[in-house]
Amino acid sequence: DAGVIQSPRHEVTEMGQEVTLRCKPISGHNSLFWYRQTMMRGLELLIYFNNNVPIDDSGMPEDRFSAKMPNASFSTLKIQPSEPRDSAVYFCASKEGANYGYTFGSGTRLTVV
Amino acid sequence: GESVGLHLPTLSVQEGDNSIINCAYSNSASDYFIWYKQESGKGPQFIIDIRSNMDKRQGQRVTVLLNKTVKHLSLQIAATQPGDSAVYFCAERRNQGGKLIFGQGTELSVKP
Repeated sequence: DAGVIQSPRHEVTEMGQEVTLRCKPISGHNSLFWYRQTMMRGLELLIYFNNNVPIDDSGMPEDRFSAKMPNASFSTLKIQPSEPRDSAVYFCASKEGANYGYTFGSGTRLTVV
Repeated sequence: GESVGLHLPTLSVQEGDNSIINCAYSNSASDYFIWYKQESGKGPQFIIDIRSNMDKRQGQRVTVLLNKTVKHLSLQIAATQPGDSAVYFCAERRNQGGKLIFGQGTELSVKP
C-alpha cells in the first residue's frame, strides 16, 4: 500500500503564478480531503469530496482556489494567482466509506515569494 | 508587517513516564473523535479513535478518554519513549459526511 501520494513535495513560486498541487488517494477510498496547515491557523479543511463529488468547499479561502476530482484516483488543488499568504503545507487525506480514520499524505510545502 | 506565530502548548516529560495530553472540543453534536500524531516534515498519522457512545478506549500504550459533559478529550501515553516526540492533534467529526475539525495541537517533548 503506497498510501496517499502528493506531488510535488516542495514548490516555490513567484507571486501571481498558477500553482497546481496533486493527490492520489489510496485505492478504494471514496472520500478525499484537502487541508492547509500554517502556524497561525493550524490544520484547516479546505474542501472534501465523496465519490468524486465536492461536498463541502466552505473552507476554500477565496475564488483563487479551486479543486477538482476528475476520477477516483486523482485530485488537484489549484491556486491562481498565488499570493505570499498562500504559503503553507497542503495536505491531502483519504478515507474508505464507513472507515472513519483519515490517511494523510506527506504534504506539499508551498512557498510563494 | 511581522507576523506572530502561534505557540503550541508544550508538554515535556521524562522517558519512561506517562504522558497526558488534553483537548477541549467545541461542538456537543460531534459524534466521533480521533487523535493524530504529526512528526516534523510528515503528515498527521492516526493513533486512536473513540465514538461518542464510549468514554474510554485503549490501544497499544495509548488510552483515549472522553468526557462529553465538559467536552473534554485526553490521550494517555504509557511509558513515553523518545519516538513519541511529536505534535499531537485531536479532531472531532461534526457531521455524518466525515468532515473532521482539528484542534490546535500539543507538542510533546520526551527527554531521554
